[in-house]
Amino acid sequence: AQSVTQLGSHVSVSEGALVLLRCNYSSSVPPYLFWYVQYPNQGLQLLLKYTTGATLVKGINGFEAEFKKSETSFHLTKPSAHMSDAAEYFCAVSDQKSGGYNKLIFGAGTRLAVHP
Amino acid sequence: AAGVIQSPRHLIKEKRETATLKCYPIPRHDTVYWYQQGPGQDPQFLISFYEKMQSDKGSIPDRFSAQQFSDYHSELNMSSLELGDSALYFCASRSNPYGYTFGSGTRLTVV
Repeated sequence: AQSVTQLGSHVSVSEGALVLLRCNYSSSVPPYLFWYVQYPNQGLQLLLKYTTGATLVKGINGFEAEFKKSETSFHLTKPSAHMSDAAEYFCAVSDQKSGGYNKLIFGAGTRLAVHP
Repeated sequence: AAGVIQSPRHLIKEKRETATLKCYPIPRHDTVYWYQQGPGQDPQFLISFYEKMQSDKGSIPDRFSAQQFSDYHSELNMSSLELGDSALYFCASRSNPYGYTFGSGTRLTVV
């Protein structure tokens, strides 16, 4: 079964600093991987996803993630943090099984704080 | 573009009451998923439907039931509500192996 581990429940960075949110996955088949952002009292917004092909995936708001099969990782990065990036970030993997009814399995989330 | 619509956005119920949450998927999306997100928690999968048939089941209490109707909208029925059922309930729909779209959620508060 697929699973996701997000290292660090809280990450704090200065405005303008590099953002690095870590995600490791466990999957017996080639995974589909996702990063979602959730602002307070709001829904889940897709930042980016990896399905096949290029391992460096670019998303919205300047975020990108790199799929590294050898490390079973899909870390999220942004070169320069902005105050508006403060939110909860969830890494997710598609639970692929026969029949294709694949639910998303979420990590525990990482709360990103950005300070001036 | 059309999105996943959930109603109501907010719901307040008393203990032991019943609640019904509705989800309207994106047109032509054939799979619907329900998730529960408790305070400070990650979304937990409850149940899913494919072409109006239950396709997968997660940690959904026996007090909860769900179905998908002929027009593809789905309803989550929750009975004998408990304080611990207070959460944000998300619905998502999907049309291809990785095209998930989430609704804005229904915030249920049980008092």
